[in-house]
Amino acid sequence: QVQLVQSGPELRKPGSSVKVSCKASGDTFNTYTYNWVRQAPGQGLEWMGRLVPIFGSPTYSHHFQGRVTLTADDSTGTAYMTLSSLRSEDTAVYYCSRGVVISPYYFDYWGQGTLVTVSS
Amino acid sequence: DIQMTQSPSSLSASVGDRVTITCRASQSISTYLNWYQQKPGRAPTLLIYGASSLQSGVPSRFSGGGSGTDFTLTISSLQPEDFATYHCQQSYNTPWTFGQGTKVEIK
Repeated sequence: QVQLVQSGPELRKPGSSVKVSCKASGDTFNTYTYNWVRQAPGQGLEWMGRLVPIFGSPTYSHHFQGRVTLTADDSTGTAYMTLSSLRSEDTAVYYCSRGVVISPYYFDYWGQGTLVTVSS
Repeated sequence: DIQMTQSPSSLSASVGDRVTITCRASQSISTYLNWYQQKPGRAPTLLIYGASSLQSGVPSRFSGGGSGTDFTLTISSLQPEDFATYHCQQSYNTPWTFGQGTKVEIK
């Protein structure tokens, strides 16, 4: 069955960067989109961006003002999210989710989440 | 960005109750509306896509409706495992945006 397995929790200082991985299994990796969604403590869900490995070019939410970079490694079936210039407000659980490439777009599988804590 | 507003923010209900959650978009999104369920400490799971299509494996007591700006998620007979937070999400335009969530609690 399809599984998305994310890397473990991270603790970072303000101003630094974090890279979270998401390894997919159980289906063809590069025929789906890989989206990143975060959830701050007690808050709702916020979409950060998506990447379609077969096309390569990501789409980012403007709310992250160039701080987020999405990449993928087809050979290992792994998607990556790098968030830079971290601040305390970036403390959240970060989820990867698989999306379909044709309309209507939706996220059919999710990783287990990665807690990123930003603290001095 | 398209704003998604859910109501209510929370509700208390009993097992067997019929529950309806609404989601309103700040502009027309046709039927590009998805619903997710999230239990504490867990990732969301897809319930409904395209406003009314039931995801494979999701019980038929869940149903979705609406188009344009107004949408509903209905649980016909609430079960113990349905106590969770429900999120709507528009997939009409990026950035994809979510409602603030509706928490369904036990009365």
